[in-house]
Amino acid sequence: DVKVTQSSRYLVKRTGEKVFLECVQDMDHENMFWYRQDPGLGLRLIYFSYDVKMKEKGDIPEGYSVSREKKERFSLILESASTNQTSMYLCASSLSGRAHEQYFGPGTRLTVT
Amino acid sequence: KQEVTQIPAALSVPEGENLVLNCSFTDSAIYNLQWFRQDPGKGLTSLLLIQSSQREQTSGRLNASLDKSSGRSTLYIAASQPGDSATYLCALTGFQKLVFGTGTRLLVSP
Repeated sequence: DVKVTQSSRYLVKRTGEKVFLECVQDMDHENMFWYRQDPGLGLRLIYFSYDVKMKEKGDIPEGYSVSREKKERFSLILESASTNQTSMYLCASSLSGRAHEQYFGPGTRLTVT
Repeated sequence: KQEVTQIPAALSVPEGENLVLNCSFTDSAIYNLQWFRQDPGKGLTSLLLIQSSQREQTSGRLNASLDKSSGRSTLYIAASQPGDSATYLCALTGFQKLVFGTGTRLLVSP
């Protein structure tokens, strides 16, 4: 079974704090993705990575950065958290190429106060 | 730009009914289509993946079809159960990434 884990289920941070969200997959997948999900807006892609140290911007990268130092781990960084970054954050992974199934983690509910 | 619409937005049925969820998309240049379910406050669970060259996929009581020419996919759930209650999302892989539909919230009552 593919397993994608995220470091926290719930997180509360203050405005201006630096926030790290961690994602780990155990299936040796090349591709990893970060999405956020908001009511009425659905899922939107923030960043993705198709290899170690590689990254590509998604639809809404502003205010975020990412790090992929190891194949199994993909981190999302909020340099200076703001209240409009309160959201559900979902990580996913897949094999290389475009036709492969994406597997999702359980999500992190981030609240920025 | 790919747009993905799911109808209906919400559906309530009694246990045992067969039901169909719809997914429509505007650009037929897709690599695959994936159906997910999401329970409240949880991540997405992959249900079925249909490659662009395929017409349908089946898993247990679920059957998904794909008609690229008409820009439609359907998810058929046979003999629905209360445990099927969740939000169902379709997503299409286009040039580089998944594009998600708006979701159908399903409630199956005992």
